[in-house]
Amino acid sequence: QVQLQQSGPGLMKPSQTLSLTCAISGDSVSNNGATWNWIRQSPSRGLEWLGRTYYRSKWYNDYAVSVKSRITINPDTSENQFSLQLNSVTPEDTAVYYCARALTSTGGNWFDPWGQGTLVTVSS
Amino acid sequence: DIVMTQSPDSLAVSLGGRATINCKSSQSVLYSSNNKNYLAWYQQKPGQPPKVLIYWASTRESGVPDRFSGSGSGTDFTLTISSLQAEDVAVYYCQQYYSTPFTFGPGTKVDIK
Repeated sequence: QVQLQQSGPGLMKPSQTLSLTCAISGDSVSNNGATWNWIRQSPSRGLEWLGRTYYRSKWYNDYAVSVKSRITINPDTSENQFSLQLNSVTPEDTAVYYCARALTSTGGNWFDPWGQGTLVTVSS
Repeated sequence: DIVMTQSPDSLAVSLGGRATINCKSSQSVLYSSNNKNYLAWYQQKPGQPPKVLIYWASTRESGVPDRFSGSGSGTDFTLTISSLQAEDVAVYYCQQYYSTPFTFGPGTKVDIK
C-alpha cells in the first residue's frame, strides 16, 4: 500500500520560501510508471495542480503557468521523497498543500494516493 | 487551460435518495484514439484529502461502493449516488487529466435533507 507523508512548516511570512517534503512508502520516486505531484487547495482558488516530477530515463518537471516562475519540485532518490519549493510567497499562497501520486502506467493521470495535507499560512 | 464547471454548488438529498452531480469541461476530454474520457471524480470529507472514486469517467476505483456511478462523454459528465448514505456527506470534485495543467471543478457539496 502506497503512503505519502508530508512534512514542513505551516506558518510563513511574505517573501519567504515555502518548502515541503513528501516521503514515499510502498513505491519509488524513480518509478517510471508514476508521476509525483503537488496540489493546493484554498477557498479562493479551489483545487489547483501546481506541478510534478517524474522519471523516464531522466528526470522531468512540469509546472503550472501560475507559479512557474517561483516553483521547484525536486526528487530525492536517496530518501525516496520529493519536495516543493515556492519562492516569494504572499498571502495568496495560503492554502492546504497536498502531494499526490499519479500512476501513469494506467494511461491516466488521476491522483491516488494523496498526502495528509499541510496548511500553510502566509502572514506578516 | 481546460476549465471545469460543476452544478449544482450544493444539494441536500434524503437518506436513500438519489444525488446527481454534473460536470462540464470547456473542451472535450475524449481522446479519439482510444475512445476514453480523461475524467475522474473525487470525494472529500472534512479534514481529509480527496479520494478518487471514478476514473475514465465511469470506472469505479476498487473498494468504492456500487451506489456511485459515473457517466457522460466529451464535455458533459455526471456522478450519481443512487442511494445516499450518511457517510456520503462530502464535497465531490471532477478533474480532467486530458492535458496539463490538470484542472478540477469547484466542487459540489452533498448533505442529508
